[in-house]
Amino acid sequence: DQQVKQNSPSLSVQEGRISILNCDYTNSMFDYFLWYKKYPAEGPTFLISISSIKDKNEDGRFTVFLNKSAKHLSLHIVPSQPGDSAVYFCAAFSGTYKYIFGTGTRLKVLA
Amino acid sequence: DAGITQSPRYKITETGRQVTLMCHQTWSHSYMFWYRQDLGHGLRLIYYSAAADITDKGEVPDGYVVSRSKTENFPLTLESATRSQTSVYFCASRTDRGLGTEAFFGQGTRLTVV
Repeated sequence: DQQVKQNSPSLSVQEGRISILNCDYTNSMFDYFLWYKKYPAEGPTFLISISSIKDKNEDGRFTVFLNKSAKHLSLHIVPSQPGDSAVYFCAAFSGTYKYIFGTGTRLKVLA
Repeated sequence: DAGITQSPRYKITETGRQVTLMCHQTWSHSYMFWYRQDLGHGLRLIYYSAAADITDKGEVPDGYVVSRSKTENFPLTLESATRSQTSVYFCASRTDRGLGTEAFFGQGTRLTVV
């Protein structure tokens, strides 16, 4: 039973354009949502997070939007850069201190 | 070195062998986690620990054993390795301060069971 889903395995975007990565979840009890970026042969690194009581959080080129009624969050990257090419995981955090990850979306930013 | 480190980075073992993956963190974080990454499955939680001597099962614990006698170490043992345990394993840790605090990941261990 996949509680956190990323339905797009891959995404290609032109440099300078917006990248939108999507994530859906099923459990309305999640407290926080996080996005991680992962380069090949490296561990995931934290990118940005959002509390379940907010609908938007921004950090430089990265913005995360949360739609609780739809149980949907998205990560916007503007403008996209070639260095953003990586696998992006969304994760949900519950009060039991577990992070539940999605399956990941491979973003390719074309120069 | 400060941070979270995993060893070995790469390991090849035979079916039926016992193998232990090591994880060490220098932050004195209370929480530690083991995940495995597989194509089509993302990162799945194997075990986690809230403190020394406190561990609990995650989504895919079968075939794995963990221990946490010291806060900084969280080894993962495959008691009798199977080919289905071929994967990339990631250890992570986080502080116990604040709900939304992120977890920090190690570099990963690529395990191949032949």
